[in-house]
Amino acid sequence: GDSVTQMEGPVTLSEEAFLTINCTYTATGYPSLFWYVQYPGEGLQLLLKATKADDKGSNKGFEATYRKETTSFHLEKGSVQVSDSAVYFCALSDPGWGAQKLVFGQGTRLTINP
Amino acid sequence: DADVTQTPRNRITKTGKRIMLECSQTKGHDRMYWYRQDPGLGLRLIYYSFDVKDINKGEISDGYSVSRQAQAKFSLSLESAIPNQTALYFCATSDSSQRGTEAFFGQGTRLTVV
Repeated sequence: GDSVTQMEGPVTLSEEAFLTINCTYTATGYPSLFWYVQYPGEGLQLLLKATKADDKGSNKGFEATYRKETTSFHLEKGSVQVSDSAVYFCALSDPGWGAQKLVFGQGTRLTINP
Repeated sequence: DADVTQTPRNRITKTGKRIMLECSQTKGHDRMYWYRQDPGLGLRLIYYSFDVKDINKGEISDGYSVSRQAQAKFSLSLESAIPNQTALYFCATSDSSQRGTEAFFGQGTRLTVV
C-alpha cells in the first residue's frame, strides 16, 4: 500500500541555520503531497502542498518540490527561527482512492535554539 | 471560533467504559475523518465519511465505531475502552470538489484509558 517515510527526529538546530527534513513516498498513480505542522498543544495545520510533479509548494519561508523521479518531497528553509519549533508531518493523498484520505509519515520533531 | 471543533479536549476514562468523542465543522465540507496519533507512528486513519449516508473503515477501525449525524457532525465511539486506545485523536474535514485539496484538522482530543 501507499506509504510515507520521513527523516527520523528529533532535529535540533540553532537559529538561522538551514533546515532540510527528508520525505520519500510510495504510491500508485499520481498523489498530491503535503507538509503539515503541529505546534505544541495544537492540531495540524497545512504548511504547503504540491499536486503534480515538479510543482513547488512554499509558505512562511518553507519550500518543497514534488520530485516524481526520486519520489521525494523534502522540506527546506533557509534560516529557521525559534518559532519554527514544532512537529512536521509529510503526507500524501492518492486521488485514485477517491476519498482524499491522507497517509502520514511518522513526524519529525524540530527544536530551534536561540 | 475554530472551523473544526472537537469535544472534549481532554478525557480520562476507565477500562471497559464507553466513550464518545464529538466533532463539528463550519466549513461546509462533505468529507470527514477520524485519525489517531501515537508517538513515532504519525497519524493513522480510523474511519472516514464521504457524506451523511456513507461511512468507511480506515486502517485501524477495530474497537471503534462512528456516527455521521449531519453533514457537520461526526462522532467517534469507543464501545469498551482499553489502555492501548490511549492516544491523541483528531477529526478532519475536506472538500471533495477539488483534486488535491487539503484536510482541515481540529485541535485534538487527548484520551487516556486507565
